[in-house]
Amino acid sequence: GAVVSQHPSWVICKSGTSVKIECRSLDFQATTMFWYRQFPKQSLMLMATSNEGSKATYEQGVEKDKFLINHASLTLSTLTVTSAHPEDSSFYICSARDGLAGEAGELFFGEGSRLTVL
Amino acid sequence: AQSVTQPDIHITVSEGASLELRCNYSYGATPYLFWYVQSPGQGLQLLLKYFSGDTLVQGIKGFEAEFKRSQSSFNLRKPSVHWSDAAEYFCAVGKTSYDKVIFGPGTSLSVIP
Repeated sequence: GAVVSQHPSWVICKSGTSVKIECRSLDFQATTMFWYRQFPKQSLMLMATSNEGSKATYEQGVEKDKFLINHASLTLSTLTVTSAHPEDSSFYICSARDGLAGEAGELFFGEGSRLTVL
Repeated sequence: AQSVTQPDIHITVSEGASLELRCNYSYGATPYLFWYVQSPGQGLQLLLKYFSGDTLVQGIKGFEAEFKRSQSSFNLRKPSVHWSDAAEYFCAVGKTSYDKVIFGPGTSLSVIP
């Protein structure tokens, strides 16, 4: 089946630095990707919808200047956590759907990226 | 706005027993409904989905779910649970099959040998 790959799977950074997380669709073209955040033992919270070639659509309460999303190609979306602080520590998950699959298209999820900010 | 509730935060069942995980949704039109499973250290896996048609949906790993419009529910069931089913289960709703998906809070399943 289709695969969505995230990199890195685990990252530790110092407070104040920026971290970039990549999400790639490996064998299909994804016109739309979604970024979620998951706190320990909690559900996935949708952060933003990433559209290829256009600006991302952020959910209410998500700081667009803190979480920069770029969807430069049909197979790659990136999430940059800018000036990271300990409260940004979380599990970030991306998902993507095959743009050619239509209504039957399944949403595939990456395995997530765990960010720890010291 | 769409929303999903899963009344049970944690459920413990014995191996071989039947399982039902509850899910209620709030949405104005006919929603697209999903059940996902998340095992420790692994990504989310789709168990099944409902778009239209037969309200009893069969999924992978022996799971099934029934859509009941009158109750705004989409409960997940399995007749006989295996130890490997221990995981976090999320019910989710979307406006369409390709729109964003909103997740419920999740139900953690423990299986007693």
